[in-house]
Amino acid sequence: QKEVEQDPGPLSVPEGAIVSLNCTYSNSAFQYFMWYRQYSRKGPELLMYTYSSGNKEDGRFTAQVDKSSKYISLFIRDSQPSDSATYLCAMLIGYGQNFVFGPGTRLSVLP
Amino acid sequence: DSGVTQTPKHLITATGQRVTLRCSPRSGDLSVYWYQQSLDQGLQFLIHYYNGEERAKGNILERFSAQQFPDLHSELNLSSLELGDSALYFCASSERDRGDTIYFGEGSWLTVV
Repeated sequence: QKEVEQDPGPLSVPEGAIVSLNCTYSNSAFQYFMWYRQYSRKGPELLMYTYSSGNKEDGRFTAQVDKSSKYISLFIRDSQPSDSATYLCAMLIGYGQNFVFGPGTRLSVLP
Repeated sequence: DSGVTQTPKHLITATGQRVTLRCSPRSGDLSVYWYQQSLDQGLQFLIHYYNGEERAKGNILERFSAQQFPDLHSELNLSSLELGDSALYFCASSERDRGDTIYFGEGSWLTVV
């Protein structure tokens, strides 16, 4: 079992839809959770950063962490064609540890 | 623009050769990370340096090595290159050596022919 899993997609949605992207993980020690957006062959760009369980909202993006289920989600409201990219979840145990990335989900928002 | 600078952006070289990829972290960042991303593969952690010292190694081949210099820039050296080493190599940086976010450069695209 991989440490962090994501549905690879591709996930295709119409413009304006609500998108739900998910990651599951196996290590209950993870405390920091991040979502990165990566356009084709570009550097990943940090979207959201959360610590422990709960929700965090930033504009059209909401990150949700459920540590009891070892499950994190990223919701995108009013999706736009410019949101078409690969979304990577990443997580971290803490001090001196290294980030573990999920394999990414490819999202395509159709105009 | 994340503030992390990587050179070269693209590189084509032959099998058996050696290349050096360079990374300048964001101003003030002390940590540098190197990742490899092959076609349709996730980000594979290679190595982490903090203020000149190696902090962690991931799945880095013995043919690969890295260092971080006193001015905090880092170099990733890839030797005896094989076709399978063709990938995007990303450098990322963070301010500290703990639970911080990391910021990625635009990557160096290596093609081995």
